[in-house]
Amino acid sequence: QSALTQPPSVSGSPGQSVTLSCTGTNSDIGSYHRVAWYQQSPGTAPKLMIYDVSDRPSGVPDRFSGSKSGNTASLTISGLQAEDEADYYCSSYTSNRTLIFGGGTKLTVL
Amino acid sequence: EVQVVESGGNVVRPGGSLRLSCTASGFTFDDYAMSWVRQAPGKGLEWVSTIYWGGGTNYADSVKGRFIISRDNDKSSLSLQMNSLRAEDTALYYCVRGVRGIIIASFDFWGLGTMVSVSS
Repeated sequence: QSALTQPPSVSGSPGQSVTLSCTGTNSDIGSYHRVAWYQQSPGTAPKLMIYDVSDRPSGVPDRFSGSKSGNTASLTISGLQAEDEADYYCSSYTSNRTLIFGGGTKLTVL
Repeated sequence: EVQVVESGGNVVRPGGSLRLSCTASGFTFDDYAMSWVRQAPGKGLEWVSTIYWGGGTNYADSVKGRFIISRDNDKSSLSLQMNSLRAEDTALYYCVRGVRGIIIASFDFWGLGTMVSVSS
């Protein structure tokens, strides 16, 4: 099963909102409410930001929100801050009872 | 405080075997599914395997038949036996805790990882 499709890079200015996309198929994102988003800064382990499409773990700011439409999931970061600069990965459960990740998006805060 | 700590990473020749371990603390281990996720140098994340609280397992196609995941609930430990290793298995291997639910599709606690290098 191929990886989910994410744009390689996205950028935004402090205070702006940015939306990161994650495109899959009817066998993963389109069929399950099991999309997650992770933030990874250089040299650190990934951090869970969103699970089950739109739920936030305790401690994640409400500036981070998730949604899904059809086969595409989105992560929106509002009020962009310098500390949000990182790599972001999406993932989804699949019909094969496996989990697949996207290739990652590098977010640059200008 | 929830913690997961991996160990066992090493340099191994193609075709060789290696066993990774993970010790968990700060939570009731047998209430949670546990998984391994890997990341090749400079690359993205790849799910490897999940073991549920009852012992049921799932594997990525890339490792099925070569890797075996297991757990010891009495010792709060997770293992990954890796056989027939290939160069493409070279990666940082993370031990991760699954977010509770019927379907394990996200991971809320990650270790620092242990590095596996497969090279002749």
